Amino acid sequence: KQEVTQIPAALSVPEGENLVLNCSFTDSAIYNLQWFRQDPGKGLTSLLLIQSSQREQTSGRLNASLDKSSGRSTLYIAASQPGDSATYLCAVAGSQGNLIFGKGTKLSVKP
Amino acid sequence: KAGVTQTPRYLIKTRGQQVTLSCSPISGHRSVSWYQQTPGQGLQFLFEYFSETQRNKGNFPGRFSGRQFSNSRSEMNVSTLELGDSALYLCASSLASGTSTYNEQFFGPGTRLTVL
Repeated sequence: KQEVTQIPAALSVPEGENLVLNCSFTDSAIYNLQWFRQDPGKGLTSLLLIQSSQREQTSGRLNASLDKSSGRSTLYIAASQPGDSATYLCAVAGSQGNLIFGKGTKLSVKP
Repeated sequence: KAGVTQTPRYLIKTRGQQVTLSCSPISGHRSVSWYQQTPGQGLQFLFEYFSETQRNKGNFPGRFSGRQFSNSRSEMNVSTLELGDSALYLCASSLASGTSTYNEQFFGPGTRLTVL
């Protein structure tokens, strides 16, 4: 059974710092991995999608990497801003296509 | 392009009642999935519909059901509500081909259900 873990559960950083969020999964037979952002009480915003054949994806200040063999993904946020404060969720798509989510990392960026 | 929409945004029900939630996917998207989010369990997959057929189902009791219409809009129904059904219910849509649902999923704002 696929399990997704995100570490740390919470992170507080000063504005301008570069940071890395971690995601690990137990079954390397995934089809893709998606990173989401969730603001309090809101839905999920898709940040990056990495297909299983890819190693990384970039969008603006965000860069996500995928290492299927070791069951790991990282989300790198450059030059963090207070507006980046949110919960970041990692999800993997298995053979049936449904997403299996981690519990998220709650990020707080202090001005 | 309009995003995924969900109605209603908030609902308050009492135990034993039933509820119907609605989801309209992004235009052109044929797959609709439903997820339940609670503080304790996080996000859990309920079911997925494609071309009006349930293609995949999570581990939830039969009180949770859904359907999809020919225009890809989807509804989910929860009967005999329990206190533990209080949650944020999220709908996601994706392009999805006939045999694959591995496309990027886009989520709606969710319906906050409170059961008293």
